[in-house]
Amino acid sequence: NAGVTQTPKFQVLKTGQSMTLQCAQDMNHEYMSWYRQDPGMGLRLIHYSVGAGITDQGEVPNGYNVSRSTTEDFPLRLLSAAPSQTSVYFCASSQGAGYTFGSGTRLTVV
Amino acid sequence: GDSVTQMEGPVTLSEEAFLTINCTYTATGYPSLFWYVQYPGEGLQLLLKATKADDKGSNKGFEATYRKETTSFHLEKGSVQVSDSAVYFCALSPGVIQGAQKLVFGQGTRLTINP
Repeated sequence: NAGVTQTPKFQVLKTGQSMTLQCAQDMNHEYMSWYRQDPGMGLRLIHYSVGAGITDQGEVPNGYNVSRSTTEDFPLRLLSAAPSQTSVYFCASSQGAGYTFGSGTRLTVV
Repeated sequence: GDSVTQMEGPVTLSEEAFLTINCTYTATGYPSLFWYVQYPGEGLQLLLKATKADDKGSNKGFEATYRKETTSFHLEKGSVQVSDSAVYFCALSPGVIQGAQKLVFGQGTRLTINP
């Protein structure tokens, strides 16, 4: 099983550029979420979705958009990248008590 | 709101030493508690979990007991190995609310084991 697949693994953006981080899961999980990981701060929830067509904001949503058109995919969009968005981004899916995480995308905004 | 506090790192131990990583939480109700491990360059993996008071989660020689009276979920291992070097995250889930089971993470503790 592939589990949760994130692409790309690494990305460098210039300030003001836009991009989409991809996340796909093949476990038919209803719940999907995006986290960012910053040194000394653990993981913080950006956006989440409880099913296709339903999304909501997490703890740190500013500067990010999401959509959920299918159960499998949950892309994260940066509309105008800022240096403060330099981080490692993790996508996760869940059904019940178990979470499965992707391997992460390391994003640097210069 | 709900929160998790872990002991500050980094933690450096010698092989075969005893490990404790402290974790305390603040939550309303009866959350589930988790320990996740992140090996270098990888995503998070579930290490163990406990869903109610006095439950003990265990896996790969690691253990943690859900202590409601002290709101703690400390991670322990009797004899660590070099391969245990990783970042460890304590987390809680307040439960399923409107279909969402959010996780609240501590800040992580980096563990290095020297041979």
